[in-house]
Amino acid sequence: EVQLVESGGGLVQPGGSLRLFCAASGFTFRNYWMSWVRQAPGKGLEWVANIKVDGNEKYYVDSVKGRFTISRDNAKNSLYLQMDSLRVEDTAIYYCAKDTAYNIFDYWGQGTLVTVSS
Amino acid sequence: QSALTQPPSASGSPGQSVAISCTGTSSDIGAYNYVSWYQQHPGKAPQLMIYEINNRPSGVPDRFSGSKSGNTASLTVTGLQAEDEADYYCSSFAGTKQVIFGGGTKLTVL
Repeated sequence: EVQLVESGGGLVQPGGSLRLFCAASGFTFRNYWMSWVRQAPGKGLEWVANIKVDGNEKYYVDSVKGRFTISRDNAKNSLYLQMDSLRVEDTAIYYCAKDTAYNIFDYWGQGTLVTVSS
Repeated sequence: QSALTQPPSASGSPGQSVAISCTGTSSDIGAYNYVSWYQQHPGKAPQLMIYEINNRPSGVPDRFSGSKSGNTASLTVTGLQAEDEADYYCSSFAGTKQVIFGGGTKLTVL
């Protein structure tokens, strides 16, 4: 059974940093692209970033470029999102998602809430 | 990249059919056959319902189907059931590993 479990969310002040974690199991993690998708309270879904199987290609939505960094550790079946210079508008539930070819998200974690507020 | 355009709401009675549209541009929906639909119940994670325009993952009822014409994709739910009441989001590959979502449609089963 595929499982994706996020952690690391919490309350942080504007300008602060946070590192999100996603533990994957039930599939061969090293064979799949992975993504982070977020959802602001009461709003729709927004793709944030994705990373290639070997970590050598990474893509970001324009609003987080230069502030967020996606990474992975295939030996630990883990996905990460380092979030720096956080803004109030980054407040959202962040989901880890298994990414098939062409950005089709066939499995999602339960999400972790990030709140940016003073 | 702007979000894909979906109607904010849709509704139908049990047993009826309802279609939800998703309009993009020639750079996303019009350019690729990688349109997906996700169902999200309140407080839950999204679930993939349709991928590559009209393919259903294992376990998704065949009451759910998809289509595409030009820059617009559609999700049709036939034989509406109470458990179909949820938010539905479309998404499209937009080149260079980018993906955009629609704003979401709240489906109400009357």
